[in-house]
Amino acid sequence: SQKIEQNSEALNIQEGKTATLTCNYTNYSPAYLQWYRQDPGRGPVFLLLIRENEKEKRKERLKVTFDTTLKQSLFHITASQPADSATYLCALMGSSNTGKLIFGQGTTLQVKP
Amino acid sequence: DTEVTQTPKHLVMGMTNKKSLKCEQHMGHRAMYWYKQKAKKPPELMFVYSYEKLSINESVPSRFSPECPNSSLLNLHLHALQPEDSALYLCASSQVVLAGRSYNEQFFGPGTRLTVL
Repeated sequence: SQKIEQNSEALNIQEGKTATLTCNYTNYSPAYLQWYRQDPGRGPVFLLLIRENEKEKRKERLKVTFDTTLKQSLFHITASQPADSATYLCALMGSSNTGKLIFGQGTTLQVKP
Repeated sequence: DTEVTQTPKHLVMGMTNKKSLKCEQHMGHRAMYWYKQKAKKPPELMFVYSYEKLSINESVPSRFSPECPNSSLLNLHLHALQPEDSALYLCASSQVVLAGRSYNEQFFGPGTRLTVL
């Protein structure tokens, strides 16, 4: 069956360091992969999208990689700040493009000052 | 305007009540979604509307009844809910996903926190 896995354990890092979050998937052939940020009690906020034919995408301090051979995406936040503390969700759309987005469990990032 | 609004923010209802959740967007998006999110879990898709027509129903119990009166509005009518239906209900919108178009970033509202007593 289709599965998306993110580290369920919280990631604690020191301010200024690079945070790296992992998203692995099985039995999917996604056309693209998205990353969202969610703060407690709020709706997710879209951050980045990467297509299956792209290896890397950047936006300010954020970088996403997509390896369709390893079936893995890595999400990096460089020069992390306490304000980056949140839960980060990866989401996949299957290549059938039905509009159905499936989310991973999310990884909670805590950046300590 | 890149905002999705949802009302009410909080809702407490008994199992015999009938209530409605409302969602509105003015981004010209023709796809709208309802998700349910339990604590420490990811959002789970419930319904998708595309061009005001229901295109996906994820086997949601009939006590949840969606409605899309026009391209900007999405409602979720609730009736005879159970305590396990207590959750954060999220509305989202996006451009319609068409064959060959490879993106649909979704814009989420802040959610309605629903408690069923």
